[in-house]
Amino acid sequence: IQMTQSPSSLSASVGDRVTITCRASQSISNFLNWYQQKPGTAPKLLIYVASSLQSGVPSRFSGSGSGTDFTLTIDSLQTEDFATYYCQQSHSPPFTFGPGTKVDI
Amino acid sequence: DVQLVESGGYLVQPGGSLRLSCAASGFTFSRHWMSWVRQAPGKGLEWVANIKQDGSETYYVDSGKGRFTISRDNAKNSVFLQMNSLRVEDTAVYYCARESSSSWGHKYYYYMDVWGKGTTVTVSS
Repeated sequence: IQMTQSPSSLSASVGDRVTITCRASQSISNFLNWYQQKPGTAPKLLIYVASSLQSGVPSRFSGSGSGTDFTLTIDSLQTEDFATYYCQQSHSPPFTFGPGTKVDI
Repeated sequence: DVQLVESGGYLVQPGGSLRLSCAASGFTFSRHWMSWVRQAPGKGLEWVANIKQDGSETYYVDSGKGRFTISRDNAKNSVFLQMNSLRVEDTAVYYCARESSSSWGHKYYYYMDVWGKGTTVTVSS
């Protein structure tokens, strides 16, 4: 299963609403996770099962979608949200990641 | 604290072998699938392999089939990645990750909720 993301990068300001799209090459139901990665650090789980917020993750992060099209939304972007975001399918092996979306200032 | 600590990364020549280790602590290791994920310099994340709680099921990225072997020792709370016939393109930071699951109806959904800091593998002559 191939995963694509758009855009590959975006520039935003603190307080903006940001939307990142992830698309699967075939239906994956809601077997979709989102991760955040900052430079030099390990990825961090944000959203699982397409829309469930991981414990400790701020509520400004939300996920939606099912089938082949998914969205990660960040409401009111904060300084600490500038990072790269990856989607990942957990439907069937190999459990592929999307190429990432870099969010910068 | 829940923790994963990788080790074993090194500089190795093409064609060589390396065994990565990941030591887990702070949770019941034997209840979780475990994964390896890698990231080449300046590139995105690539899922590499995972292994079931009892070691009875393993899955691999296509480029790792026949070269990589994932295994685990539940008595030592550790998971391993044996890498043979290494290629320059295997150069990456290798992360160990714990998989957790949620069940909705009759389906089980898996996600990587705990990650180690990674160990660096460099394949170069």
